[in-house]
Amino acid sequence: RKEVEQDPGPFNVPEGATVAFNCTYSNSASQSFFWYRQDCRKEPKLLMSVYSSGNEDGRFTAQLNRASQYISLLIRDSKLSDSATYLCVVKRGPGRRALTFGSGTRLQVQP
Amino acid sequence: DGGITQSPKYLFRKEGQNVTLSCEQNLNHDAMYWYRQDPGQGLRLIYYSQIVNDFQKGDIAEGYSVSREKKESFPLTVTSAQKNPTAFYLCASSMDRGLNTEAFFGQGTRLTVV
Repeated sequence: RKEVEQDPGPFNVPEGATVAFNCTYSNSASQSFFWYRQDCRKEPKLLMSVYSSGNEDGRFTAQLNRASQYISLLIRDSKLSDSATYLCVVKRGPGRRALTFGSGTRLQVQP
Repeated sequence: DGGITQSPKYLFRKEGQNVTLSCEQNLNHDAMYWYRQDPGQGLRLIYYSQIVNDFQKGDIAEGYSVSREKKESFPLTVTSAQKNPTAFYLCASSMDRGLNTEAFFGQGTRLTVV
């Protein structure tokens, strides 16, 4: 079983739609969680960290469920510019090994 | 301008040759990482280093080597022992001190074996 699993998609949604991605992780010792965005043939960039209490940044909301070991990302009012691959990222803690990436979920927002 | 720089952006290698990918950061980050990404795949960890003169193997270290002689630099050598080296290589760095310290990536090197 992979340490971090995501539905690869693609998720094809119309502009203005709300879309949600889930990600599950297998290591209960994981302590830090992030969502990265990767555009085609580019490097990943941090979208947002995921805090235990959940957090929101504009149209984006991230949630963490430690009991069920999953992370979610909700995008409201989708824009064409949101089309990208969204990578779920998990870290076991400071001083531990590096970030572990999921394979990504591809989102295509259509006009 | 602070950041992480990879070079070259594109690299072509003949079979049987070793090549070295450069990664430099001026963010004063302790930790540096090398990942490999294949088309339609996620990132897989090759090597990482949390401090100068120390580094650890990741999940797919075979056929690769690294050095960390300076805090700013973490070059990756793709050796002839790597059977399928064509991929997108990404270098990253982070403070690696707190729990929510993000990693910053370079723009990547696309390596093609010809």
